[in-house]
Amino acid sequence: KQEVTQIPAALSVPEGENLVLNCSFTDSAIYNLQWFRQDPGKGLTSLLLIQSSQREQTSGRLNASLDKSSGRSTLYIAASQPGDSATYLCAVNTGFQKLVFGTGTRLLVSP
Amino acid sequence: DAGVIQSPRHEVTEMGQEVTLRCKPISGHDYLFWYRQTMMRGLELLIYFNNNVPIDDSGMPEDRFSAKMPNASFSTLKIQPSEPRDSAVYFCASGASENEQFFGPGTRLTVL
Repeated sequence: KQEVTQIPAALSVPEGENLVLNCSFTDSAIYNLQWFRQDPGKGLTSLLLIQSSQREQTSGRLNASLDKSSGRSTLYIAASQPGDSATYLCAVNTGFQKLVFGTGTRLLVSP
Repeated sequence: DAGVIQSPRHEVTEMGQEVTLRCKPISGHDYLFWYRQTMMRGLELLIYFNNNVPIDDSGMPEDRFSAKMPNASFSTLKIQPSEPRDSAVYFCASGASENEQFFGPGTRLTVL
């Protein structure tokens, strides 16, 4: 059974810092991995999708990497801003579009 | 496109009542998913459809839960009878083939 873990569970940083969020999964047989952002009381916003054949994806200040063999993905946020404060979730697609979500990392960026 | 639309956004009901949650997926998407989010269990997939056909309902917790997709632009998730432990945020998401899933704003359900 696929299990997805995110470390750290919570992170507090001052504005401007670069930071890394970690995601690990137990079964390397995945189709893709997706990073989401969730604001309090809101739905999920897709940030980046990495196909299993890819190593990384970039969007603006965000960069996500994928090492399927070791069961790891990282989300790198450059020059963090208070508006980046949210919960970040990673999810692996185990096939047939079934997503298994991680436990999430709550990020607080203080001005 | 307006994105995935869910209604109602909030629902408060009493134990034993029937609850119906609604979802309109993004036009052109052939996959539709229903998820439940709780503090204890996080985000869990309940059921998903492909081309309006239910493919996997193994996440549906009990027979009290049922979902339908009568056409490509509408789906419902029904709980009958509802119980306090069903209180959660229910998300609908849609996607196309091997691509990203796009989530709706969710329905916050409270069963008293």
